[in-house]
Amino acid sequence: SQQGEEDPQALSIQEGENATMNCSYKTSINNLQWYRQNSGRGLVHLILIRSNEREKHSGRLRVTLDTSKKSSSLLITASRAADTASYFCATGPMDSNYQLIWGAGTKLIIKP
Amino acid sequence: DAGVIQSPRHEVTEMGQEVTLRCKPISGHNSLFWYRQTMMRGLELLIYFNNNVPIDDSGMPEDRFSAKMPNASFSTLKIQPSEPRDSAVYFCASSFFVGSSQEKLFFGSGTQLSVL
Repeated sequence: SQQGEEDPQALSIQEGENATMNCSYKTSINNLQWYRQNSGRGLVHLILIRSNEREKHSGRLRVTLDTSKKSSSLLITASRAADTASYFCATGPMDSNYQLIWGAGTKLIIKP
Repeated sequence: DAGVIQSPRHEVTEMGQEVTLRCKPISGHNSLFWYRQTMMRGLELLIYFNNNVPIDDSGMPEDRFSAKMPNASFSTLKIQPSEPRDSAVYFCASSFFVGSSQEKLFFGSGTQLSVL
């Protein structure tokens, strides 16, 4: 069952603006991952943040993790049309070393 | 590196027919996952292999579904007989598992299955 929840379900912004997506989860985790899925394609791994990390950067992406609130956020700065995609968070529960619990995704649309 | 390769890309079949989906994981990866994605249920893990051995098949919907991994470079997911409710996108993903916690997954492009 899916326990991760992304918020918002959909987000539409102008090119150049920043986009923030949130993910909440319920169990204790080993790590949390963010993936991007372009329409009709497979998921692409963006970033993995471990439970003992609070913030991680990769290019224009910034991920934060608050284990006390069981939440994470993905910030995309200076958005581009090519960032239009669905974004999924996946949590790795502590009682497993392979399971990922997936959220329903945030659909991001970047308007030119 | 060619990435995870899945075939066919699209499959349209009639109810009752056998469907076989194929996956070639990334060379050197020791873990392989089959997922199903639908609008209603999102991403569901069907089965997980480690070193070609099925570790967790609890997500396989019913006996109509079966999966094999005869070697490190090939896996199949078979549905027999197929039903309209099996219509979905089926993804294969692979990773290099080191044993302590979940690793990042590399997904194939998926197979869009339509059962009429």
